[in-house]
Order: sequence, then structure tokens, then C-alpha cells
Amino acid sequence: KNEVEQSPQNLTAQEGEFITINCSYSVGISALHWLQQHPGGGIVSLFMLSSGKKKHGRLIATINIQEKHSSLHITASHPRDSAVYICAVKGSGATNKLIFGTGTLLAVQP
Amino acid sequence: SQTIHQWPATLVQPVGSPLSLECTVEGTSNPNLYWYRQAAGRGLQLLFYSVGIGQISSEVPQNLSASRPQDRQFILSSKKLLLSDSGFYLCAWSVRILAGTYNSPLHFGNGTRLTVT
Repeated sequence: KNEVEQSPQNLTAQEGEFITINCSYSVGISALHWLQQHPGGGIVSLFMLSSGKKKHGRLIATINIQEKHSSLHITASHPRDSAVYICAVKGSGATNKLIFGTGTLLAVQP
Repeated sequence: SQTIHQWPATLVQPVGSPLSLECTVEGTSNPNLYWYRQAAGRGLQLLFYSVGIGQISSEVPQNLSASRPQDRQFILSSKKLLLSDSGFYLCAWSVRILAGTYNSPLHFGNGTRLTVT
């Protein structure tokens, strides 16, 4: 079992739908990152959070430390949101490793 | 504002040839720097990270090496490429807020698509 699990692996949505991508992890963490990888390969950091909730435009990220779970929400989805969304966690303690989830491939259809 | 430059964007090299990929960061000082590789259909794999000039940590044993000759310059090299070195290479940086890495958001370069033939 991977230390970071994402679900779903693939997601197809219609434009305008509310989208949720989940990330569960089994290790203690000091930070969680959400990344977006576009079809061309470029990666953009969306959020880094260690507690609570962050919002940027139509994107919302939440984390529940007790339940070891984070969600990425996209409101009013658009075809340009189509990408792979990657969750990654930094373990607590003296570690310099980032553990990556396998990613969620999102396709938003017009 | 901070920017990260990575080049070249694409590269086709024969087996056994050397490799040098360069990454530079502007607009910040003393960043943490990272080299990642993404093989086709696979997730990101950390190859090297650096928390300072001349300080390189290797995550995966391989025929690649990294160097940080200047504070904002990170170079990925190989003396002899293998077919298995093909992939998408990404350089990234983060602000060093606390000791260690990944304590601040990551910023990625546009990547280099390397094909070893």
C-alpha cells in the first residue's frame, strides 16, 4: 500500500461541475502539497498546507490532520482545468523527502 | 518576482553520450533546489536535492550526477547516457524557510524532455 493514495485515479466531468479529488496518507506529516501537471508536462504548485483550508480562485484545498486526509475542490470546472493533479506530503520529523501520490487525471468536457 | 529557467526544452541524445541540463533561478537567494524525473506514465521521482552551494543529496543510485556551482544554478549531468535515462526532467526550487526541504511551495521549471536513442 502506498503511503499516499489519491482517488479517483481518473475523473471525467462536464463543464461547470463541482469536482473533488481526495488524498489520504498513512504517515505523520508536516506539510501537504497539491500540484497540477498540464498535458505539456509543466507543473504548477497549487497549494501547500499543514492545517485547515486554503482558497485560490476556483480552487479550494482542505486538510484534516486527525483523519490524515486532504481534498482538492474545483468549483465551476472548465476544460482548461483538465490536467493531472498530484498530492504530495512531507513527513514530520527530520526528513527531506516528499512522498508523491500517483496523481488524478481530470478531463473536463465542454 | 522569482523565475526559474530550465533548458533545453527537448533533447535527443544517443546512448553513451554525455548530458548536461541546466537550471537557474532568479529573484531569490539561497533556495532549495531539486531535480526530478518523470518516466512515461509514471509519477515524479526525486533524483537530487540541494540545500546550499556544493551540497548535493542523491535519492536514487544511477549514472546521473548533480552539481550546484552557484547559489541559483543547478546542473544535472551524465557521462554516458543509458536508454533508461529517457524521460521528462524537471527542476524545481523552494524558499528555505526552515532547515530541510519542502517547507514552502515548490516552483517548477518547464521541464526537459530527454529521449535517448
